[in-house]
Amino acid sequence: DTEVTQTPKHLVMGMTNKKSLKCEQHMGHRAMYWYKQKAKKPPELMFVYSYEKLSINESVPSRFSPECPNSSLLNLHLHALQPEDSALYLCASSQDLPDGYEQYFGPGTRLTVT
Amino acid sequence: GQSLEQPSEVTAVEGAIVQINCTYQTSGFYGLSWYQQHDGGAPTFLSYNALDGLEETGRFSSFLSRSDSYGYLLLQELQMKDSASYFCAVSNAGKSTFGDGTTLTVKP
Repeated sequence: DTEVTQTPKHLVMGMTNKKSLKCEQHMGHRAMYWYKQKAKKPPELMFVYSYEKLSINESVPSRFSPECPNSSLLNLHLHALQPEDSALYLCASSQDLPDGYEQYFGPGTRLTVT
Repeated sequence: GQSLEQPSEVTAVEGAIVQINCTYQTSGFYGLSWYQQHDGGAPTFLSYNALDGLEETGRFSSFLSRSDSYGYLLLQELQMKDSASYFCAVSNAGKSTFGDGTTLTVKP
């Protein structure tokens, strides 16, 4: 099974809402990632978890809060977002760090902040 | 820091061969990865080079020269379905940086 799943596929939220994005993988990977991707731009790394511990936080605003409940699940909690946060949010996993060179991506959640 | 440069657009015809170049500047280099992303889709891993030389996977090949900080993705026998964005990427202890992407358009 080489699949990473993400829910929901689409999300529209107001600036005062609280919502969560979910990601799941069953490949036994020990590294998981959150990326943000704007149209016609490359994926931009937000967070990396390794063995369920936060390994990298790319100076992401605190309105984004990641959580890794177990080795298969990754959540991204959203609160008080801004319209400029509208983007495709991608989850990915890889076997391990430090390489992370072969990452498997989920289909993404397309987020619109109104 | 890490930065990668690749051409923004490439156009080719079906059946042709196309090469997408990538030059990089990184602190701490493990290797160069390539990803394909169709419009509306997620990136898909294509190949990885840690050592100098050519890696072949079917119609796709990838090359790396560490001394030149340069790599390329070679796509042979182009098909319409190869129209997509292609990203080179480097990863250092999990900190992944992608190039801006090359949009490949395959014409009949």
